[in-house]
Amino acid sequence: QVQMVESGGGVVQPGRSLRLSCAASGFTLSVHSMHWVRQTPGKGLEWVAVISYDGGNKYHADSVKGRFTISRDNSKNTLYLEMNRLRPDDTAVYYCARGTSGIVTPGMDVWGQGTTVAVSS
Amino acid sequence: DIEMTQSPSSLSASVGDRVTITCRASHDISNYLNWYQQKPGKAPKLLIYDASNLETGVPSRFSGSGSGTDFTFTIISLQPEDIATYYCQHYDSLPPTFGQGTKLEI
Repeated sequence: QVQMVESGGGVVQPGRSLRLSCAASGFTLSVHSMHWVRQTPGKGLEWVAVISYDGGNKYHADSVKGRFTISRDNSKNTLYLEMNRLRPDDTAVYYCARGTSGIVTPGMDVWGQGTTVAVSS
Repeated sequence: DIEMTQSPSSLSASVGDRVTITCRASHDISNYLNWYQQKPGKAPKLLIYDASNLETGVPSRFSGSGSGTDFTFTIISLQPEDIATYYCQHYDSLPPTFGQGTKLEI
């Protein structure tokens, strides 16, 4: 069945870096755009970034632009989120979500189970 | 960014009740609206897409309607397993944004 499994979360100090991974199975990753979405108790669900099926187009939320980078390796069926200069307000559960098209569109359908990032000194 | 305003923020109902949640977009989003169900500790699960289309495998007691800026999500006969938080989300343009959620309790 369609499944995505995130990993790489943990506790990190402010200013440090972390890389999240999302391993996909049960579908052909290379034909889908992919998203990262995060969730906090205070701000709810917040879209973070999207990447096209081939990695040629990427868009990031203003709140993470210049600090986070979405990427993918279709040969490994894996999506990534490189997070640099982390701040306490980046603390959240991070989900990957499958896009409903290969090109960059806002639509998404299936979500992974999430990985928790905590930024604290 | 398009703002999604969802109401109510919480709702208490009984098994068998009809439950309705509304979502209002700050701009016309046509029918580019999803409804998700999220249970504690789990990822959001897509129930309704394109405002009114039921995702495969989702029980028919769930339904959605609306277009433009005003949308409605309905559970015809509430079941115990429906206890969750429900979110609307638009996908008219980037960035997609979400309602603040409706926590459903029995």
